[in-house]
Amino acid sequence: AQSVTQLGSHVSVSEGALVLLRCNYSSSVPPYLFWYVQYPNQGLQLLLKYTTGATLVKGINGFEAEFKKSETSFHLTKPSAHMSDAAEYFCAVRAETSYDKVIFGPGTSLSVIP
Amino acid sequence: DAMVIQNPRYQVTQFGKPVTLSCSQTLNHNVMYWYQQKSSQAPKLLFHYYDKDFNNEADTPDNFQSRRPNTSFCFLDIRSPGLGDAAMYLCATSDSGGAKTQYFGPGTRLLVL
Repeated sequence: AQSVTQLGSHVSVSEGALVLLRCNYSSSVPPYLFWYVQYPNQGLQLLLKYTTGATLVKGINGFEAEFKKSETSFHLTKPSAHMSDAAEYFCAVRAETSYDKVIFGPGTSLSVIP
Repeated sequence: DAMVIQNPRYQVTQFGKPVTLSCSQTLNHNVMYWYQQKSSQAPKLLFHYYDKDFNNEADTPDNFQSRRPNTSFCFLDIRSPGLGDAAMYLCATSDSGGAKTQYFGPGTRLLVL
């Protein structure tokens, strides 16, 4: 079955440090990949997405992600963490069975330590 | 601003008492989704509409129903809420097609007493 894994359910970084959130996926069709962020008691918001073309994708709030087909990965990075980055992050892949749906990973909770 | 609106933000109901959650959108998207999200978990798709075509997930309990009377509105009906149905319910919309972003509402947090 199609799946998304996110290594590390909780990640803590110091303010100003590099943020690295890991995502691996499975897909038998060319993947469309997404990262969403969720702040407490809010809905999800798109950070960035990969469809085709350039494998390094830039998103909002200084985040970027790189699609690596050989590794089936789509890791999310930010050079310098801010306190406001503390949130839940979800990686997702387009569903093979219905292109209107996505498969979400379990999420990674990011804490930023002052 | 174009957006997805969910009312109410918090809903308290009694065990077994029917409850309806509402969602509206000003984005004119043809796809609308209902997700259930429990604490520290990913959103779980309950069903989605492609225009008026209803698509139920295989593991969505019969206790959950939905209505979409027009493009802008969609409702989630829980016929007999149980304690296990306490969760955040998220509505989302998108254009059709695999690369389209889903736009989420702020969610309705349901408490079952």
